[in-house]
Amino acid sequence: NAGVMQNPRHLVRRRGQEARLRCSPMKGHSHVYWYRQLPEEGLKFMVYLQKENIIDESGMPKERFSAEFPKEGPSILRIQQVVRGDSAAYFCASSPRSYNEQFFGPGTRLTVL
Amino acid sequence: GENVEQHPSTLSVQEGDSAVIKCTYSDSASNYFPWYKQELGKRPQLIIDIRSNVGEKKDQRIAVTLNKTAKHFSLHITETQPEDSAVYFCAAIVGNTPLVFGKGTRLSVIA
Repeated sequence: NAGVMQNPRHLVRRRGQEARLRCSPMKGHSHVYWYRQLPEEGLKFMVYLQKENIIDESGMPKERFSAEFPKEGPSILRIQQVVRGDSAAYFCASSPRSYNEQFFGPGTRLTVL
Repeated sequence: GENVEQHPSTLSVQEGDSAVIKCTYSDSASNYFPWYKQELGKRPQLIIDIRSNVGEKKDQRIAVTLNKTAKHFSLHITETQPEDSAVYFCAAIVGNTPLVFGKGTRLSVIA
């Protein structure tokens, strides 16, 4: 049973470009969560999605950030017009039930030059 | 909203000794408390969790205790080994709200 998959593992973007991060949940999991982790800091919740629905986006900045989890395919976290402050590790997690027992992917390390 | 405080921020122990990490939470309605271990450059891994209807849970060398009255929960690692060295995060959840994480404890096990 494959774990949570994320790609790319490393992403370098110049200021103003777009970043697209992908997450495929564990088999049988329909709940996906995105977190951001800055160096030497904890994990900050961004958004919670189920298939085709955003359940909770209270942790996601209102501008430039968006997320989706289509009926087919991976969940996508999209950051438009990236700035240096967006540099961080972005982790997604999935769970079989809402919020509990979340299993994390390997993360995407975004560097904005 | 929920607030989780974690102490200490760093912890060094001799191999074979025990390590204890404590977390406090603010919302008495919190009902799920997982612990994650994160090695450098790796993903957070769920190592143990406890729900509010249980006071203690053990899994080999690790255990978690929960004191609902005092609103704190602790991770206990016995007979520590060098491979236990990592950053440990506690978290808490209230019903259908997002996991709130502590800031982490960097554990170093000295051989």
